[in-house]
Amino acid sequence: ETGVTQSPTHLIKTRGQQVTLRCSSQSGHNTVSWYQQALGQGPQFIFQYYREEENGRGNFPPRFSGLQFPNYSSELNVNALELDDSALYLCASSSFRGGRTGELFFGEGSRLTVL
Amino acid sequence: AQSVAQPEDQVNVAEGNPLTVKCTYSVSGNPYLFWYVQYPNRGLQFLLKYITGDNLVKGSYGFEAEFNKSQTSFHLKKPSALVSDSALYFCAVRDSNTGNQFYFGTGTSLTVIP
Repeated sequence: ETGVTQSPTHLIKTRGQQVTLRCSSQSGHNTVSWYQQALGQGPQFIFQYYREEENGRGNFPPRFSGLQFPNYSSELNVNALELDDSALYLCASSSFRGGRTGELFFGEGSRLTVL
Repeated sequence: AQSVAQPEDQVNVAEGNPLTVKCTYSVSGNPYLFWYVQYPNRGLQFLLKYITGDNLVKGSYGFEAEFNKSQTSFHLKKPSALVSDSALYFCAVRDSNTGNQFYFGTGTSLTVIP
């Protein structure tokens, strides 16, 4: 069974730039969620994708966008980067059944630093 | 609104002693509760969950959690702590309305002292 993998593991950007983070979900899972974890904080829900469509969104602005592909992999795109976007971005895969998301299985994360 | 609270930022316990990491929740509807562990510079690992049924839930690595509806708590426990248990622990609740968003606490740093 392949776990959740994320790339890149670390990256540095400057304010105003754009970034794309990638995630491959665990085999057998049909849902991908993205979370932002700022230093010293718990993860905050950005959005979830199911059947290639956004299936829930947290309190994040539209410059945070995503995609899910037919193989259930996913991308997180952030435009017009701000200093406060510096964080660990976590991808989690899960099964979505009966209108509910099962337990989340996380990748190792992508640490983004915005200068 | 759904939320969890972890009242302790830091918990220290001696190796071999029992440990407890506290969590209280606030939900509308039935609570679906989870515990995760995070090692330095790593993602979160699932430990256990409470959906329904027995109030004592057993999970990975010898951890268990006790669901208490009257106290709205879901404390994580282990009878005998190991040094390797030292990590950051997060309690989470799944949104009972939408069924997809998880709300995490701020985390409790557990240090097991040899």
